[in-house]
Amino acid sequence: KAGVTQTPRYLIKTRGQQVTLSCSPISGHRSVSWYQQTPGQGLQFLFEYFSETQRNKGNFPGRFSGRQFSNSRSEMNVSTLELGDSALYLCASSLEGQGWNTGELFFGEGSRLTVL
Amino acid sequence: AQKVTQAQTEISVVEKEDVTLDCVYETRDTTYYLFWYKQPPSGELVFLIRRNSFDEQNEISGRYSWNFQKSTSSFNFTITASQVVDSAVYFCALRSGANSKLTFGKGITLSVRP
Repeated sequence: KAGVTQTPRYLIKTRGQQVTLSCSPISGHRSVSWYQQTPGQGLQFLFEYFSETQRNKGNFPGRFSGRQFSNSRSEMNVSTLELGDSALYLCASSLEGQGWNTGELFFGEGSRLTVL
Repeated sequence: AQKVTQAQTEISVVEKEDVTLDCVYETRDTTYYLFWYKQPPSGELVFLIRRNSFDEQNEISGRYSWNFQKSTSSFNFTITASQVVDSAVYFCALRSGANSKLTFGKGITLSVRP
C-alpha cells in the first residue's frame, strides 16, 4: 500500500515568488492535513481538508491557502514568499468518516522549501 | 487552549540503556487523544501510538511502553534496551475536543550511541 506522497521533495524560491506543493494521500483516505515544521516554531497546523472542504484552519496568514480535489489529492499554495516561510511542509492523511478526526495521521516525507 | 510540553530537548544514551521521554499536556476538554510520533532523518513522521482520554491503561509494544496518567496530565514513553536505530526526534501530540488539528510538543532528539 503506497504511503503519502509529497512533491516536490526539495525546492528553492526567492522572496516574492509563490509556490505550490502537492500531496497524494493513502488510497481511501479522505482527510488531508498540512503542517509546517521549522526549528523555531516546531510543528504547526496549517489546515485540514475533508471531501474537498476545508474543515479546520490554523493561525497562518492568508498567503497560505490550500485545496482538495475530488480524488482527495491536495495542494497548498504560498504566495508572496518570505524568508520565514522556509520550512519543511508535511502532509498527512487519515481514514475518516463524517465527524471530527479521531484517527492517527499518516505523514509524508515532506517538501523542504528554502526561500532566498 | 491546548498545549503539549516536552521539557527534554536532547537525550543521549548508550545502546542497551533504558530511556524515558516525558510529555505533559494541557487541555480543558474531557475527550482528547494523545499521540507519539517518531521522526527519523528522512523527515517522515512515523505514528507510534494513540491513546484516548478514557483509557488510562498502560501499553507495551515490544521494547516500547507508554505510561498515561491523567492525574498528572502526562503521557510518557519508555524505550527499553535502546538501539542505535531508535535515534530520532520524538514528538508527543494532542488532539482535543472537536478540534481536528494535532498540537505537537517541541520534540525530543534522542541519540543512541553504540
